[in-house]
Amino acid sequence: QTVVTQEPSFSVSPGGTVTFTCGLSSGSVSSDFYPSWYQQTPGQAPRTLIYSTKTRSSGVPDRFSGSILGNKAALTITGAQADDESDYYCVLYMGSGISVFGGGTKLTVL
Amino acid sequence: QLQLQESGPGLVKPSETLSLTCSVSGGSISSSIHYWGWIRQPPGKGLEWIGSIRHTGNTFYNPSLKSRVTVSVDTSKNQFSLKLSSVTAADRAVYYCARHLMEATTSHFDSWGQGILVTVSS
Repeated sequence: QTVVTQEPSFSVSPGGTVTFTCGLSSGSVSSDFYPSWYQQTPGQAPRTLIYSTKTRSSGVPDRFSGSILGNKAALTITGAQADDESDYYCVLYMGSGISVFGGGTKLTVL
Repeated sequence: QLQLQESGPGLVKPSETLSLTCSVSGGSISSSIHYWGWIRQPPGKGLEWIGSIRHTGNTFYNPSLKSRVTVSVDTSKNQFSLKLSSVTAADRAVYYCARHLMEATTSHFDSWGQGILVTVSS
C-alpha cells in the first residue's frame, strides 16, 4: 500500500518562510495526483488551504502557496505568523476514487 | 453558506456497528459535481479518509476499511450516513463529514463538518 509522506514537524520564526513537502513511499508526485493541503488547529475541523496543486481556497491568504518541487508536492508559507502554528495535512488522489492523507506536519512558530 | 453537521451516538460497544449521519444545509446533496465524504481522526493522530458517495449512490471506499464500511445517501433528507461494523478500540476517533469535489481536474475536500467523537467501550 502506498504511503503519503510528510515531515513530522517544522519550526519557523515569525516572518520567516517554510516549505512542507508531500511525497510518496514509492514514486513521484505530480499534478495528476491533485495535491491538496489542509490546516488544522487543536480541537478544530480541518480548513482547506490549497487544492489542485496550487489553487488557493476562498479566503486563504496569498502567503500560502502550493507547488510541485522535484518529485513532491509542496506547501510554502511566506511571512509566517503566530496563528499559522497548526498541523498541516496533504491529500493525494490515487485514482479509482481513492484519496490518501499524509501523516501531517506540525508547525511551530517561534 | 454550506454547513455540514455530524450526528449519532458518541459511544459504541465493541463488535457493534457505528452509525453516523451528516446533515447538509445551505446546499443540495444532489449536486452534480460533488461527492460527500467521511474522514476520521483518532485522538492525537492524523486524518484518514474513510469513503465518499455521490447522490447517485456511487461510492468509493478506503481499501483498508472497505470490508467494514457502508456509506449511503438520503437525498430526500439532504443527508448521508456512515456505518462501520465490528468496531474495536482502534475505531475511537473524531469522525468528520465533508463535501468532496471529485471530477476530471481535481479531488479535494472543500467544506467540513465540526466533527463528532465516537468512543468504543463496553
